[in-house]
Amino acid sequence: DAKTTQPPSMDCAEGRAANLPCNHSTISGNEYVYWYRQIHSQGPQYIIHGLKNNETNEMASLIITEDRKSSTLILPHATLRDTAVYYCIVRGPPLYNTDKLIFGTGTRLQVFP
Amino acid sequence: NAGVTQTPKFQVLKTGQSMTLQCAQDMNHEYMSWYRQDPGMGLRLIHYSVGAGITDQGEVPNGYNVSRSTTEDFPLRLLSAAPSQTSVYFCASSFRGAGSPLHFGNGTRLTVT
Repeated sequence: DAKTTQPPSMDCAEGRAANLPCNHSTISGNEYVYWYRQIHSQGPQYIIHGLKNNETNEMASLIITEDRKSSTLILPHATLRDTAVYYCIVRGPPLYNTDKLIFGTGTRLQVFP
Repeated sequence: NAGVTQTPKFQVLKTGQSMTLQCAQDMNHEYMSWYRQDPGMGLRLIHYSVGAGITDQGEVPNGYNVSRSTTEDFPLRLLSAAPSQTSVYFCASSFRGAGSPLHFGNGTRLTVT
């Protein structure tokens, strides 16, 4: 089972900030939070990841709560091209020979004009 | 640097036929994995490998075989195709470690009639 839960869908007006939540209440101290997105049926695209601190890159910002049980991906000025399915997953250090990365069903973000 | 290359892009099989989906990466990644995505659904992990000679099952391994004889290649074999295996298949790779993003291929769209 996925270690994360996300709302199935969200809407956002073009030009506004899109805030996508993710719950990961069972996250371990050494597990990172990752965000990917998938546009149409293309291969998923990496967006950003973080451990404890908030992170920002040219695509988005990641806000992780202090208890690390949830996070929010922020697209500061959403465009129509940001319409996609967004996946939040957690990844920890490999233990022995296990490294099973489970994706959930993601959040379908619809940006409207 | 080609990244993750999947071949073929499209394939149509008849029930009972066998085939191999190819996946190759040129980034010297230890970790490789296969996902399937059914229409309107999320990604489900089929098999993964943490290095040459090491493979393990994911969420939906039945009907699929894998092997990892080299670091670069991770083929997925369908021994006897069934209509339920109609899906889009994605290969992904990364370095091992919690802070390593996955790189995805562009997918293989498989139809079994």
